[in-house]
Amino acid sequence: DAGVTQSPTHLIKTRGQQVTLRCSPKSGHDTVSWYQQALGQGPQFIFQYYEEEERQRGNFPDRFSGHQFPNYSSELNVNALWLGDSALYLCASSSRDWNNEQFFGPGTRLTVL
Amino acid sequence: AQSVTQLGSHVSVSEGALVLLRCNYSSSVPPYLFWYVQYPNQGLQLLLKYTTGATLVKGINGFEAEFKKSETSFHLTKPSAHMSDAAEYFCAVSFNTGNQFYFGTGTSLTVIP
Repeated sequence: DAGVTQSPTHLIKTRGQQVTLRCSPKSGHDTVSWYQQALGQGPQFIFQYYEEEERQRGNFPDRFSGHQFPNYSSELNVNALWLGDSALYLCASSSRDWNNEQFFGPGTRLTVL
Repeated sequence: AQSVTQLGSHVSVSEGALVLLRCNYSSSVPPYLFWYVQYPNQGLQLLLKYTTGATLVKGINGFEAEFKKSETSFHLTKPSAHMSDAAEYFCAVSFNTGNQFYFGTGTSLTVIP
């Protein structure tokens, strides 16, 4: 079992650009959550996808959007990047049949210049 | 509002000494509680979790934590620190199956030889 995988590992963008991050959940999991972890901070919840729909959303602007595919993999899109978006973006997968444990991927380090 | 507070952003212990990392939460409903560890440039790894039942939970690598409802606490302990325990530790809480996680700001553990 490969666990949760994310791509790319690192990414450098400039202000105003758009970025897409990808996540493949752990085998058997149907729910994907995305978190933003700024340097020196704990992860902050962005949103969660289940059955290809956004089910919950944290306090993030509409510039942050996502998608979940039929195979449960997910994308996080961020438009109009600004410097404050620089962070480690973590994907977590879980199963609705389980009692809430989330498994995290290694993250994508996004740097906005 | 739900929140998590980790007291002490940095903790240093000698190798072989007791590790105590503090976590308090605020919630109006019963919580699910988690401790995660993060090594440099890696994602989050689950150490242990409390959902229901026994309030003293044991996790991986010799760690354990006790849920104290009256104190709204879920402190993490390990009787004897090892050099490999040096990492960032995050306490997290959620309130219903499948709901988002709220993370603390993290505690950086240093183990002194």
